[in-house]
Amino acid sequence: DAGVTQSPTHLIKTRGQHVTLRCSPISGHKSVSWYQQVLGQGPQFIFQYYEKEERGRGNFPDRFSARQFPNYSSELNVNALLLGDSALYLCASSLVPDNQPQHFGDGTRLSIL
Amino acid sequence: RKEVEQDPGPFNVPEGATVAFNCTYSNSASQSFFWYRQDCRKEPKLLMSVYSSGNEDGRFTAQLNRASQYISLLIRDSKLSDSATYLCVAANSGGYQKVTFGTGTKLQVIP
Repeated sequence: DAGVTQSPTHLIKTRGQHVTLRCSPISGHKSVSWYQQVLGQGPQFIFQYYEKEERGRGNFPDRFSARQFPNYSSELNVNALLLGDSALYLCASSLVPDNQPQHFGDGTRLSIL
Repeated sequence: RKEVEQDPGPFNVPEGATVAFNCTYSNSASQSFFWYRQDCRKEPKLLMSVYSSGNEDGRFTAQLNRASQYISLLIRDSKLSDSATYLCVAANSGGYQKVTFGTGTKLQVIP
């Protein structure tokens, strides 16, 4: 079975642009979470979605938004990109949100110039 | 104060040694706890869940102390392949979700 898949793997943008990152969860998993990881830090929680509803949100500005589709895949959108948005963006899926370990994709490495 | 705190290390230990990592969390609403390992420039991979009764998986033992709000990971008989960053995670359950990772503890096992 395929694991969590993310696209693209790498992306270069300039300040002020917007970006859409995509994630397909493990088959059967209904919950998807997004994280931002900068070098030397642990992943920072951005959003969690379950059954197309937002179930959790971290301390990120409104420039960050996400959605989940009926097939449980998800998109993370970031508007008005800043240099500080350069990071590895990780998607993780789990069967349900509660008490479940999450399985991560390889991530999208976003560089802002 | 960070919600989940770990000693960043690095911990440099010889092969065969036993090493212990601790992690403290401040959110008393946290209900689920996990340890992940992350290799350089790779995604985090689940190592084990952490239960109140303590749990063991081969050379790895995890403990949870809810009263003191800390989690531990013990690695026995360290192997070179154990070299990685170990991330502690605390999450609440039910309702609005919040998942918090620590910054990670770097382990280097040396021959």
